[in-house]
Order: sequence, then structure tokens, then C-alpha cells
Amino acid sequence: KAGVTQTPRYLIKTRGQQVTLSCSPISGHRSVSWYQQTPGQGLQFLFEYFSETQRNKGNFPGRFSGRQFSNSRSEMNVSTLELGDSALYLCASRGGPSQETQYFGPGTRLLVL
Amino acid sequence: GESVGLHLPTLSVQEGDNSIINCAYSNSASDYFIWYKQESGKGPQFIIDIRSNMDKRQGQRVTVLLNKTVKHLSLQIAATQPGDSAVYFCAENIDSGYSTLTFGKGTMLLVSP
Repeated sequence: KAGVTQTPRYLIKTRGQQVTLSCSPISGHRSVSWYQQTPGQGLQFLFEYFSETQRNKGNFPGRFSGRQFSNSRSEMNVSTLELGDSALYLCASRGGPSQETQYFGPGTRLLVL
Repeated sequence: GESVGLHLPTLSVQEGDNSIINCAYSNSASDYFIWYKQESGKGPQFIIDIRSNMDKRQGQRVTVLLNKTVKHLSLQIAATQPGDSAVYFCAENIDSGYSTLTFGKGTMLLVSP
């Protein structure tokens, strides 16, 4: 079974731009979560989607948003990019609310100049 | 807020030794714990998990111990190999219905041949 895939793997943007990242969960998994990883803050939860609905949201500004499609694929968007948004963005999937183990993708490395 | 923390940022061992990575958590309401391994340029890889109603769980070459009295979690790796070199994260989840994992800062494990 294929793992979690994320595209693109690397991105370079400039301040003020926006970016969209994509995540395809493990086949059959309906829950997708997003995390931001930086050297200073470590891994921080952004939000979780299940059945196209956002179930939970972390402590990030409204510039960070996401959505999930009917095939469980998810996208996250960051608008008005800031230098501090440079990070590794990780997507994780799990089967559903009753299945706790989350499996991570390789991440998208975003650099904001 | 409460968070998961690690005692040692770097652990250096010789190949064949047993490694122990420690983690302290402060939220007594956490009921699920996971250890992840993250190699350079990759996303976190699931190693082993444990629920709060257990004290010990074993996998292949790995054992997780949970001491709820002192809120301590440890990962034991038997016969450590160079391929085990990575950053190890512990994470906790308060509500199994949600994917809101709180991660520790990570411990770098360096295995010398």
C-alpha cells in the first residue's frame, strides 16, 4: 500500500505571495492532519480534516487554511507569506477518528525569501 | 500550555549497544503516546505506540515504557545499528478522537560503527 504523498517536495516563494501544498493520504484513510516543523518550534499541529470537514485547528493565524476533497486528498494554503513561514510542512493520515496512529508523508520544504 | 519534553538532545552510542531515549510529559490527561523516528530529509516514521492503560509494549528491537506516576516515557532500542541514527520524537494525544499530537523537541541518536 502506498504511503502518504506530498507535492511539491520543495518550494521557494517570496514574501507576500501565497502557496498551496497538496497531500494524498494512504488509500482508505479519511483523516488528514497538517503539521509545521521548524528548528525553533519543532512540530506543531495546524489542522485536521475528516470527511471534508475541519475537525480541529491549532494555534496558527488565519493565513493558514486548508480543505479536503471527497477522495480524502487535502490541500493547505498559506496566504501573504512571511519569512517565518519557512518550514517543513508535513501531512499525516489515519483511518479515522477511532484509529489513532498517524502516518506521515515526506513533507514539503517551503522557503520564503 | 503543557507540552512534551525530552531530557537529552543528543545521545551517542556504539553499534550493538542498547539505547534508551527518554521523554517527560506534563499532561496527565494524555491517553495515547507515540514514538517517531525522523531521518534527514524525511517525514517522521512511526515506530511504536502505547496507550495509557499499558505500562510496556514491545516491538521489533524496540520497547516503550510508560510510567504514569512520574509522567515519563522511554524508548529502548536493542542492539542499536547505524541505521538507527536519526532524531526521535515522542508525541502525546489527549483526545483519541482528534489527531492533535503534541510533540517533544526530539533527541538525536548517533550510532557509531
